[in-house]
Amino acid sequence: GENVEQHPSTLSVQEGDSAVIKCTYSDSASNYFPWYKQELGKGPQLIIDIRSNVGEKKDQRIAVTLNKTAKHFSLHITETQPEDSAVYFCAARTGRRALTFGSGTRLQVQP
Amino acid sequence: SQTIHQWPATLVQPVGSPLSLECTVEGTSNPNLYWYRQAAGRGLQLLFYSVGIGQISSEVPQNLSASRPQDRQFILSSKKLLLSDSGFYLCAWDRGRDEQFFGPGTRLTVL
Repeated sequence: GENVEQHPSTLSVQEGDSAVIKCTYSDSASNYFPWYKQELGKGPQLIIDIRSNVGEKKDQRIAVTLNKTAKHFSLHITETQPEDSAVYFCAARTGRRALTFGSGTRLQVQP
Repeated sequence: SQTIHQWPATLVQPVGSPLSLECTVEGTSNPNLYWYRQAAGRGLQLLFYSVGIGQISSEVPQNLSASRPQDRQFILSSKKLLLSDSGFYLCAWDRGRDEQFFGPGTRLTVL
């Protein structure tokens, strides 16, 4: 089955800096890659996603890039703010199978 | 629009007691439904998923069971709770592909 690895497990940046979280997947047939943000005590919220026919997608300060050849995708957050502090999860999906999640990255933005 | 509800929000139960957590989805029909568990500071562990009424797939052997008595209702149960059942339980739904949406979660503490 699919395996998703996520790095780093923790990331601390200064307010205004950029943050990058990387994930690799094992199943070359995976075609959907979402990113979730989970704040303390809440359920994960979908923040951005990308499909395998697209190489990059942006939404204001966040962007996701996908390299199908290398089987990795990344989340980029620019101009980080304290409210970006949370745990971020990547995931991959193959067809109609259940999502496979990465292990999560705890992002802390220092004011 | 679609919404997903979970209750209770928090629960403290003694070891050996039964458990029933409920999840309902509004605004869609025939969703795929999922139960995840999240230990403190850890990732998302898929416990059960259902593609239809009465159809339950278990991802890991454990002390828990799931049922889907109605199209948009998913219940997580246990006859006798263990200390290791403590955690944050999340329900989620999707249409079998692409976006998956999470509920607010139930914090379970077994004492």
